[in-house]
Amino acid sequence: DQQVKQNSPSLSVQEGRISILNCDYTNSMFDYFLWYKKYPAEGPTFLISISSIKDKNEDGRFTVFLNKSAKHLSLHIVPSQPGDSAVYFCAASGVNFGNEKLTFGTGTRLTIIP
Amino acid sequence: DARVTQTPRHKVTEMGQEVTMRCQPILGHNTVFWYRQTMMQGLELLAYFRNRAPLDDSGMPKDRFSAEMPDATLATLKIQPSEPRDSAVYFCASGLGQGIDTEAFFGQGTRLTVV
Repeated sequence: DQQVKQNSPSLSVQEGRISILNCDYTNSMFDYFLWYKKYPAEGPTFLISISSIKDKNEDGRFTVFLNKSAKHLSLHIVPSQPGDSAVYFCAASGVNFGNEKLTFGTGTRLTIIP
Repeated sequence: DARVTQTPRHKVTEMGQEVTMRCQPILGHNTVFWYRQTMMQGLELLAYFRNRAPLDDSGMPKDRFSAEMPDATLATLKIQPSEPRDSAVYFCASGLGQGIDTEAFFGQGTRLTVV
């Protein structure tokens, strides 16, 4: 039973345009949401996060939006750059899920086309 | 620079053999995680430790998998006997703290192939 879902396995975006990666979750008890980025042959690295008490968090070119009523979050990258080509994992954590323990989605492979 | 170190990077083994994967967490981190990446499930948590004590290993097949932290600088994940369905990339991660916003730092992973 996948509690965090990324329904798009892949996404291609033209360089300079906006990339939007989506993530849905099933359990409203999650308190905190994170995005990790993964390059081939490397481990995932933390990108950006958002607490459930907020609906938006921005860090440079990256913005995460949270819609609690829809149990949906999205990551916006603008403008997209070739170095953004990677697999992006959405993850969630919560007090009721063991605090620092993360539940990950299956990932979305983003390809930025020069 | 501080990083999580995993060995070996690649392992090919025959079905039925024992496999041991090792992880050196970032010095000073008190939480260690073992995740497995598969195409179908993404990143699944197998086990995690806080201050070397196991907190949750519900994601691990208990009959064949075991995870330990002999000391603060070493975490191990063992599979005995290994099966082809165990083929995956196994990641170790470490973090500092115990809150929901604890950032996990991942190693480069061990790619395991069981033939």
